[in-house]
Amino acid sequence: AQSVTQPDIHITVSEGASLELRCNYSYGATPYLFWYVQSPGQGLQLLLKYFSGDTLVQGIKGFEAEFKRSQSSFNLRKPSVHWSDAAEYFCAVSNTGGFKTIFGAGTRLFVKA
Amino acid sequence: DADVTQTPRNRITKTGKRIMLECSQTKGHDRMYWYRQDPGLGLRLIYYSFDVKDINKGEISDGYSVSRQAQAKFSLSLESAIPNQTALYFCAVSNRGTTNTGELFFGEGSRLTVL
Repeated sequence: AQSVTQPDIHITVSEGASLELRCNYSYGATPYLFWYVQSPGQGLQLLLKYFSGDTLVQGIKGFEAEFKRSQSSFNLRKPSVHWSDAAEYFCAVSNTGGFKTIFGAGTRLFVKA
Repeated sequence: DADVTQTPRNRITKTGKRIMLECSQTKGHDRMYWYRQDPGLGLRLIYYSFDVKDINKGEISDGYSVSRQAQAKFSLSLESAIPNQTALYFCAVSNRGTTNTGELFFGEGSRLTVL
């Protein structure tokens, strides 16, 4: 069965510290992988995506993610977190047609001063 | 930015009432979707539409219906609302064909509370 697992329901990091949010997926075919961010009261916004090629992808707001096929993982990283990064982050996987996207349960990020 | 607009943004209703959530988009995207967000469950697909004549059920379509009135409009209806349909509902759009990257563009959500 196709699924996306985000093991951490919430994470707290200090401002300026590094961040890694974990994502593991189960998908039968070559997946399209995404990270979305949801700020309070807002819809989801795409941070970055991976389809093929370089397994380290860069996104907006200083985020990057690394695709590791052998581990079925697509972890999101940021070297230095800002208070404005506090939000909920969703990992997602899609088929090549892009019309059946499966989302993880989300990881809520708290940033402390 | 796909400029996806959802109305209403917030709605409180009673069990058994009929509710319609509306979605419109201004950038001509072909595909439109309705998702439901519940805490701890992420987003789950209710219905999706490739064009006006093409409507498809998603993962959790029971208790919901949709209408694609025009290329730019996609409505979600709850014929007889029940409390476990209390959730945050998102409309999303995407492209098809050579411009399809699978990226979804979301509206700001419609929070529905069924008492």
